[in-house]
Amino acid sequence: ETGVTQSPTHLIKTRGQQVTLRCSSQSGHNTVSWYQQALGQGPQFIFQYYREEENGRGNFPPRFSGLQFPNYSSELNVNALELDDSALYLCASSSDRGRPRPHEQYFGPGTRLTVT
Amino acid sequence: AQTVTQSQPEMSVQEAETVTLSCTYDTSESNYYLFWYKQPPSRQMILVIRQEAYKQQNATENRFSVNFQKAAKSFSLKISDSQLGDTAMYFCAVVTGTASKLTFGTGTRLQVTL
Repeated sequence: ETGVTQSPTHLIKTRGQQVTLRCSSQSGHNTVSWYQQALGQGPQFIFQYYREEENGRGNFPPRFSGLQFPNYSSELNVNALELDDSALYLCASSSDRGRPRPHEQYFGPGTRLTVT
Repeated sequence: AQTVTQSQPEMSVQEAETVTLSCTYDTSESNYYLFWYKQPPSRQMILVIRQEAYKQQNATENRFSVNFQKAAKSFSLKISDSQLGDTAMYFCAVVTGTASKLTFGTGTRLQVTL
Protein backbone atom coordinates (compact mmCIF):
# COMPACT_ATOMS: atom_id res chain seq x y z
CA GLU A 1 0.00 0.00 0.00
CA THR A 2 1.35 3.40 -1.01
CA GLY A 3 -1.08 5.61 0.89
CA VAL A 4 -2.39 7.07 -2.38
CA THR A 5 -6.11 6.53 -2.82
CA GLN A 6 -8.35 6.98 -5.84
CA SER A 7 -12.10 7.01 -6.35
CA PRO A 8 -14.15 5.58 -7.80
CA THR A 9 -12.67 2.16 -8.53
CA HIS A 10 -14.71 1.59 -11.64
CA LEU A 11 -16.85 3.87 -13.75
CA ILE A 12 -19.00 3.40 -16.83
CA LYS A 13 -19.94 6.44 -18.89
CA THR A 14 -21.56 7.14 -22.21
CA ARG A 15 -19.81 8.90 -25.08
CA GLY A 16 -20.21 12.67 -24.78
CA GLN A 17 -20.62 12.67 -21.02
CA GLN A 18 -18.25 14.24 -18.49
CA VAL A 19 -16.39 12.47 -15.68
CA THR A 20 -14.47 13.47 -12.56
CA LEU A 21 -11.88 11.21 -10.98
CA ARG A 22 -10.40 11.85 -7.56
CA CYS A 23 -7.05 11.22 -5.93
CA SER A 24 -5.75 11.69 -2.40
CA SER A 25 -1.99 11.95 -2.21
CA GLN A 26 0.25 10.25 0.31
CA SER A 27 0.78 12.22 3.51
CA GLY A 28 3.55 14.78 3.08
CA HIS A 29 3.42 14.76 -0.73
CA ASN A 30 2.74 18.06 -2.50
CA THR A 31 2.78 16.91 -6.13
CA VAL A 32 0.21 14.85 -8.01
CA SER A 33 0.62 13.41 -11.49
CA TRP A 34 -2.05 11.75 -13.62
CA TYR A 35 -1.48 9.00 -16.15
CA GLN A 36 -3.68 7.18 -18.64
CA GLN A 37 -2.99 3.49 -19.16
CA ALA A 38 -4.73 1.85 -22.11
CA LEU A 39 -5.10 -1.91 -22.05
CA GLY A 40 -1.76 -3.63 -22.64
CA GLN A 41 0.20 -0.38 -22.70
CA GLY A 42 2.44 1.57 -20.40
CA PRO A 43 1.02 4.63 -18.63
CA GLN A 44 1.01 7.90 -20.55
CA PHE A 45 1.55 11.19 -18.72
CA ILE A 46 -1.49 13.49 -18.74
CA PHE A 47 -0.39 16.33 -16.45
CA GLN A 48 1.08 17.17 -13.09
CA TYR A 49 -0.01 19.53 -10.33
CA TYR A 50 2.38 21.13 -7.90
CA ARG A 51 1.17 23.48 -5.18
CA GLU A 52 -2.21 23.84 -6.92
CA GLU A 53 -0.72 24.85 -10.29
CA GLU A 54 -0.36 22.76 -13.44
CA ASN A 55 3.33 21.88 -13.76
CA GLY A 56 3.71 20.08 -17.06
CA ARG A 57 1.28 18.49 -19.48
CA GLY A 58 1.49 15.57 -21.85
CA ASN A 59 -0.02 15.24 -25.30
CA PHE A 60 -3.67 15.31 -24.23
CA PRO A 61 -6.40 17.67 -25.50
CA PRO A 62 -7.83 20.51 -23.38
CA ARG A 63 -10.93 18.46 -22.55
CA PHE A 64 -8.64 16.75 -20.02
CA SER A 65 -8.33 19.18 -17.12
CA GLY A 66 -7.43 19.01 -13.49
CA LEU A 67 -7.35 20.64 -10.12
CA GLN A 68 -5.25 20.39 -7.01
CA PHE A 69 -6.61 21.46 -3.66
CA PRO A 70 -4.82 23.02 -0.65
CA ASN A 71 -4.62 19.59 1.01
CA TYR A 72 -2.83 18.38 -2.18
CA SER A 73 -5.63 16.07 -3.25
CA SER A 74 -6.50 16.29 -6.92
CA GLU A 75 -9.21 15.82 -9.51
CA LEU A 76 -9.03 14.80 -13.15
CA ASN A 77 -11.91 15.97 -15.31
CA VAL A 78 -12.63 14.72 -18.79
CA ASN A 79 -15.29 16.38 -20.92
CA ALA A 80 -16.99 15.11 -24.06
CA LEU A 81 -15.91 11.53 -23.44
CA GLU A 82 -14.82 9.47 -26.41
CA LEU A 83 -14.60 5.70 -26.76
CA ASP A 84 -10.78 5.93 -26.80
CA ASP A 85 -10.85 7.46 -23.32
CA SER A 86 -11.59 3.99 -21.96
CA ALA A 87 -8.53 3.19 -19.85
CA LEU A 88 -7.10 2.85 -16.38
CA TYR A 89 -6.40 6.28 -14.91
CA LEU A 90 -3.55 6.34 -12.43
CA CYS A 91 -2.68 9.03 -9.97
CA ALA A 92 0.80 9.29 -8.47
CA SER A 93 2.04 11.48 -5.68
CA SER A 94 5.53 12.71 -4.92
CA SER A 95 7.34 15.39 -2.95
CA ASP A 96 9.93 18.00 -3.76
CA ARG A 97 11.38 17.98 -0.29
CA GLY A 98 13.20 15.46 1.90
CA ARG A 99 11.92 11.91 1.80
CA PRO A 100 10.88 10.38 -0.50
CA ARG A 101 13.57 11.38 -2.89
CA PRO A 102 12.68 13.78 -5.70
CA HIS A 103 11.07 12.24 -8.77
CA GLU A 104 10.06 9.13 -6.84
CA GLN A 105 6.35 8.69 -7.53
CA TYR A 106 3.93 6.50 -5.63
CA PHE A 107 0.85 5.30 -7.43
CA GLY A 108 -2.73 4.76 -6.39
CA PRO A 109 -4.76 1.71 -7.40
CA GLY A 110 -6.33 3.48 -10.37
CA THR A 111 -9.81 4.12 -11.70
CA ARG A 112 -11.03 1.92 -14.53
CA LEU A 113 -13.11 4.08 -16.90
CA THR A 114 -15.23 2.45 -19.56
CA VAL A 115 -16.87 4.63 -22.21
CA THR A 116 -19.70 3.06 -24.18
CA ALA B 1 11.70 13.94 -25.44
CA GLN B 2 12.46 10.65 -23.77
CA THR B 3 11.75 7.18 -25.09
CA VAL B 4 11.86 3.83 -23.34
CA THR B 5 11.96 0.47 -25.11
CA GLN B 6 11.24 -2.89 -23.55
CA SER B 7 11.81 -5.53 -26.20
CA GLN B 8 10.54 -8.55 -24.26
CA PRO B 9 6.72 -8.55 -24.18
CA GLU B 10 6.58 -11.74 -22.10
CA MET B 11 8.98 -13.82 -20.05
CA SER B 12 8.68 -16.89 -17.90
CA VAL B 13 10.92 -18.13 -15.09
CA GLN B 14 10.76 -20.99 -12.66
CA GLU B 15 10.50 -20.33 -8.98
CA ALA B 16 13.91 -19.78 -7.31
CA GLU B 17 15.59 -19.06 -10.63
CA THR B 18 17.04 -15.75 -11.84
CA VAL B 19 15.59 -13.67 -14.64
CA THR B 20 16.74 -10.48 -16.35
CA LEU B 21 14.37 -7.98 -17.94
CA SER B 22 15.79 -5.64 -20.57
CA CYS B 23 15.24 -1.93 -21.04
CA THR B 24 16.84 0.68 -23.24
CA TYR B 25 16.10 4.38 -23.15
CA ASP B 26 16.96 7.55 -24.94
CA THR B 27 17.22 11.06 -23.56
CA SER B 28 19.24 14.14 -24.38
CA GLU B 29 19.32 15.18 -20.73
CA SER B 30 22.38 14.58 -18.59
CA ASN B 31 20.46 14.51 -15.31
CA TYR B 32 17.84 11.82 -15.14
CA TYR B 33 16.54 8.96 -13.04
CA LEU B 34 15.53 5.46 -14.02
CA PHE B 35 12.95 3.26 -12.37
CA TRP B 36 11.48 -0.19 -12.52
CA TYR B 37 7.85 -0.47 -11.52
CA LYS B 38 5.86 -3.65 -10.95
CA GLN B 39 2.15 -3.88 -11.71
CA PRO B 40 0.54 -7.08 -10.39
CA PRO B 41 -2.87 -8.22 -11.65
CA SER B 42 -4.36 -6.16 -8.80
CA ARG B 43 -3.06 -3.25 -10.95
CA GLN B 44 -1.45 -1.03 -8.30
CA MET B 45 1.89 0.18 -9.63
CA ILE B 46 4.67 -0.50 -7.13
CA LEU B 47 8.13 1.05 -7.21
CA VAL B 48 10.73 -1.73 -7.32
CA ILE B 49 14.05 0.04 -7.71
CA ARG B 50 15.56 3.36 -8.67
CA GLN B 51 18.85 4.45 -10.25
CA GLU B 52 20.28 7.94 -10.43
CA ALA B 53 22.10 8.49 -13.72
CA TYR B 54 25.00 10.25 -12.02
CA LYS B 55 25.75 7.21 -9.87
CA GLN B 56 27.99 4.58 -11.37
CA GLN B 57 27.16 1.97 -8.76
CA ASN B 58 24.26 -0.28 -9.69
CA ALA B 59 21.25 -0.09 -7.38
CA THR B 60 20.12 -3.13 -5.41
CA GLU B 61 17.01 -3.77 -3.33
CA ASN B 62 17.00 -7.20 -1.73
CA ARG B 63 16.44 -9.70 -4.59
CA PHE B 64 16.25 -6.95 -7.21
CA SER B 65 19.28 -5.38 -8.84
CA VAL B 66 19.97 -3.39 -11.96
CA ASN B 67 22.68 -3.38 -14.58
CA PHE B 68 23.00 0.26 -15.57
CA GLN B 69 25.09 0.86 -18.68
CA LYS B 70 24.98 4.62 -19.20
CA ALA B 71 26.92 4.77 -22.46
CA ALA B 72 24.69 2.11 -23.98
CA LYS B 73 21.57 3.66 -22.40
CA SER B 74 20.65 0.29 -21.03
CA PHE B 75 18.93 -0.40 -17.70
CA SER B 76 18.14 -4.07 -17.09
CA LEU B 77 16.47 -5.54 -14.01
CA LYS B 78 17.67 -8.78 -12.46
CA ILE B 79 15.36 -10.70 -10.16
CA SER B 80 17.10 -13.37 -8.11
CA ASP B 81 15.41 -16.27 -6.33
CA SER B 82 12.15 -15.59 -8.19
CA GLN B 83 8.97 -16.01 -6.20
CA LEU B 84 5.39 -16.61 -7.31
CA GLY B 85 4.52 -13.15 -6.02
CA ASP B 86 6.89 -11.64 -8.59
CA THR B 87 4.36 -12.49 -11.31
CA ALA B 88 3.37 -9.10 -12.76
CA MET B 89 3.88 -6.58 -15.53
CA TYR B 90 7.20 -4.80 -15.16
CA PHE B 91 7.64 -1.31 -16.52
CA CYS B 92 10.87 0.56 -17.04
CA ALA B 93 10.58 4.35 -16.76
CA VAL B 94 12.75 7.45 -17.01
CA VAL B 95 12.26 10.93 -15.61
CA THR B 96 14.23 14.08 -16.30
CA GLY B 97 14.12 17.65 -15.13
CA THR B 98 11.86 19.10 -12.50
CA ALA B 99 8.48 18.22 -13.98
CA SER B 100 8.77 14.62 -12.76
CA LYS B 101 7.05 13.33 -15.87
CA LEU B 102 7.62 9.58 -16.02
CA THR B 103 8.04 8.11 -19.49
CA PHE B 104 7.24 4.40 -19.47
CA GLY B 105 8.07 1.50 -21.73
CA THR B 106 5.40 -0.89 -22.95
CA GLY B 107 6.13 -3.41 -20.23
CA THR B 108 7.26 -7.01 -19.85
CA ARG B 109 4.83 -9.57 -18.53
CA LEU B 110 6.69 -11.90 -16.16
CA GLN B 111 5.22 -15.25 -15.19
CA VAL B 112 6.85 -17.16 -12.35
CA THR B 113 6.02 -20.87 -12.46
CA LEU B 114 6.45 -23.77 -10.06
